[in-house]
Amino acid sequence: EAGVTQFPSHSVIEKGQTVTLRCDPISGHDNLYWYRRVMGKEIKFLLHFVKESKQDESGMPNNRFLAERTGGTYSTLKVQPAELEDSGVYFCASSQGTLAVTDTQYFGPGTRLTVL
Amino acid sequence: AQSVTQLGSHVSVSEGALVLLRCNYSSSVPPYLFWYVQYPNQGLQLLLKYTSAATLVKGINGFEAEFKKSETSFHLTKPSAHMRDAAEYFCAVRLSGNTGKLIFGQGTTLQVKP
Repeated sequence: EAGVTQFPSHSVIEKGQTVTLRCDPISGHDNLYWYRRVMGKEIKFLLHFVKESKQDESGMPNNRFLAERTGGTYSTLKVQPAELEDSGVYFCASSQGTLAVTDTQYFGPGTRLTVL
Repeated sequence: AQSVTQLGSHVSVSEGALVLLRCNYSSSVPPYLFWYVQYPNQGLQLLLKYTSAATLVKGINGFEAEFKKSETSFHLTKPSAHMRDAAEYFCAVRLSGNTGKLIFGQGTTLQVKP
């Protein structure tokens, strides 16, 4: 079974440009999460989808970030316009269940975003 | 606000020595606790999780962790380190209720010396 995949693995852009990150969860997983790790800091939650609906977007830093999950399958995270402080590693995770305590989140390898 | 503190951003041990990675949490209610590991160029992998069933939790690769409510701790241990254990380890907490959000500690990089 394929794990969580993310594309691209690395992205280098200039300040002011737009970048779109993609996450493909494990097939059949209704829950999809985005996290971000800025260099030297802890991994922080951005948002949570249940199927195509946003369950919790309390971690989204500002309105330059837009996440979508059309059709409840893959998800995209767009940053427009990118700023220097957006640099970091963006992780996607998915889980199968209904947020039961045994619900394990499976993480992708991350996308390393560098904004110059 | 809930938080997780991992003491020591870098820990170095010799191969065969005890591994002890510390994690303390702040929570007014019993949380669900997790340890994840990230090997180079890979995603985070679940090592083990505490779900209130037993305070001593055994995970993969010989790791285990003990939940101590009185100390608000969930330290990760392994009796004998292997070279392949070199990685970054993350402690995380999830609150009960209808949220899947994980709150992570800062991470601890484990170095294993031959």
